[in-house]
Amino acid sequence: AQKVTQAQTEISVVEKEDVTLDCVYETRDTTYYLFWYKQPPSGELVFLIRRNSFDEQNEISGRYSWNFQKSTSSFNFTITASQVVDSAVYFCALSPPPTGNQFYFGTGTSLTVIP
Amino acid sequence: EAQVTQNPRYLITVTGKKLTVTCSQNMNHEYMSWYRQDPGLGLRQIYYSMNVEVTDKGDVPEGYKVSRKEKRNFPLILESPSPNQTSLYFCASSLLAGPQETQYFGPGTRLLVL
Repeated sequence: AQKVTQAQTEISVVEKEDVTLDCVYETRDTTYYLFWYKQPPSGELVFLIRRNSFDEQNEISGRYSWNFQKSTSSFNFTITASQVVDSAVYFCALSPPPTGNQFYFGTGTSLTVIP
Repeated sequence: EAQVTQNPRYLITVTGKKLTVTCSQNMNHEYMSWYRQDPGLGLRQIYYSMNVEVTDKGDVPEGYKVSRKEKRNFPLILESPSPNQTSLYFCASSLLAGPQETQYFGPGTRLLVL
């Protein structure tokens, strides 16, 4: 079975604090892709990152960084020096084989950054 | 402007009254997909299409139909809507099928079934 768990339903932080959003996934497949999406209050879904299961390198993009650990089936997302514009719902997603055309999303983490 | 459009954006209907939510993309994408978003459940995939005339079920296809007669359009059909289909619906597309492609999402359609 394919499953993505985002145990943190809501997080509030004060501006400039660092925050980590957790994502734990389940799959029996050895090849898969993981994703993070952002849904700001306006409602659209914005792609943030995609990671292939063979690539365990951590990624940094500006204030965003991602920590992928196959040993713990986790793909956590850290925002450094959070800003009010980071307030959004963040979704982690999994796409397993064989076709990679199906996507399984977590339930999302609502992040509020307080000025 | 490259985009995925959905119509209508908001819809209130009654149980059993057939409805269609349209999805159109102007990026010549082969892959299109429908999701529903519900509180506490995240996004769940309803149907997807890898190309014209090629569609397949996602995780929650019951109560929905789709068709892909043209590359740019992927309508979602609710033949007999029920209150449990009240949800926020998103259409998405990507250039090709496969998770290595970035999905672009439409603005969403909020549906209320009374």
